[in-house]
Amino acid sequence: GAVVSQHPSWVICKSGTSVKIECRSLDFQATTMFWYRQFPKQSLMLMATSNEGSKATYEQGVEKDKFLINHASLTLSTLTVTSAHPEDSSFYICSAIPVLNSYEQYFGPGTRLTVT
Amino acid sequence: KQEVTQIPAALSVPEGENLVLNCSFTDSAIYNLQWFRQDPGKGLTSLLLIQSSQREQTSGRLNASLDKSSGRSTLYIAASQPGDSATYLCASPRTAGGTSYGKLTFGQGTILTVHP
Repeated sequence: GAVVSQHPSWVICKSGTSVKIECRSLDFQATTMFWYRQFPKQSLMLMATSNEGSKATYEQGVEKDKFLINHASLTLSTLTVTSAHPEDSSFYICSAIPVLNSYEQYFGPGTRLTVT
Repeated sequence: KQEVTQIPAALSVPEGENLVLNCSFTDSAIYNLQWFRQDPGKGLTSLLLIQSSQREQTSGRLNASLDKSSGRSTLYIAASQPGDSATYLCASPRTAGGTSYGKLTFGQGTILTVHP
């Protein structure tokens, strides 16, 4: 149980285009999901908190107009990187907290974004 | 603000050795602490979660301890195997609930290599 999936697992796009990444909780409902970014050989940095039915909250320094987050249902959150640039190339990971379990987070397998 | 530090940054051991990974945190009013494993290019796998009221958790060859007074947690791996080679991350929520609910602060990780 407690499986989180991400789609796609990797994507290559050209500068200036937009890319959407999906995060799904497969066997549980999640009112809260998180989006992290990880650069090579570095740890995870929280980008934003996605709450079902409300606006996402962004960490300091993260551009909300560039990283659009939508949490349309209790099992799906999407991250759209708009007008992507090479410096947006990174590993994006989402996590989810089950509604009935307030302690443990479950992480997706990550999405590798490369912007050329 | 919770800050999390891990030492060593990298560790290389021969197969069969018992080893200890260290994690330090600055806010002793910790809510919980979670240990993860990350394989190259992959997402995070939760290994153990220790609540603030607990002193340790065990799963198979893994044992994690928590000492709030000293701001430390250790992950003990018994009889290490080549398959244990991965990056190990510890993480703790920034504060106990409120607007920081679920927001994890990660350590930099320890890269473990177990040689056959």
